[in-house]
Amino acid sequence: QVQLVQSGAEVKKPGASVKVSCKASGYTFTGYYMHWVRQAPGQGLEWMGWINPNSGGTNYAQKFQGRVTMTRDTSISTAYMELSRLRSDDTAVYYCARDEVGGTVTTVGVWGQGTLVTVSS
Amino acid sequence: DIQMTQSPSSLSASVGDRVTITCRASQGIRNDLGWYQQKPGKAPKRLIYAASSLQSGVPSRFSGSGSGTEFTLTISSLQPEDFATYYCLQHNSYPPTFGGGTKVEIK
Repeated sequence: QVQLVQSGAEVKKPGASVKVSCKASGYTFTGYYMHWVRQAPGQGLEWMGWINPNSGGTNYAQKFQGRVTMTRDTSISTAYMELSRLRSDDTAVYYCARDEVGGTVTTVGVWGQGTLVTVSS
Repeated sequence: DIQMTQSPSSLSASVGDRVTITCRASQGIRNDLGWYQQKPGKAPKRLIYAASSLQSGVPSRFSGSGSGTEFTLTISSLQPEDFATYYCLQHNSYPPTFGGGTKVEIK
């Protein structure tokens, strides 16, 4: 079955960067876009962007332009989300989520378990 | 960006109750909407796609309806495992945007 396993929790200082990984299994990794969504403590969900694992092409929410980089390593079926110049309000759980339809971008379907990133001095 | 206004933000209900949650889009989104359930400390899980199609494995007490700007999620008979927070998500226009969530609590 489709499974997305994310890396463990991180604690970072303001101004630092964090890189979260998302290892996919149970399907052809390059066949489905991967989205990233975050959720601040006690808050709602916020879409950050997607990566096309086949081409490496990306589309980021304007809010994160210039600070987020999404990459992938097809040899190990893993997607990455790196967020730089961290601020305290970046403290959140970060989720990867596979697109529902293969070969195109539609909407999020299966989610990873989430990675808590805490930004604190 | 399309704004998704979800209501109510919270509700209290009893087991067996019929529950309805609404999402309104700031502009028409056809039926490009999904509903997600999130339990504390867990990732969201999709219940409904294309506004009214039930995700495989999701109990039939969940149903969705609507098109254009107004959408509803209905739980026909609330079960103990349904107490959670529910979100709508539109993917008609970029960026995809979520509703603010509805927390369903036990009365």
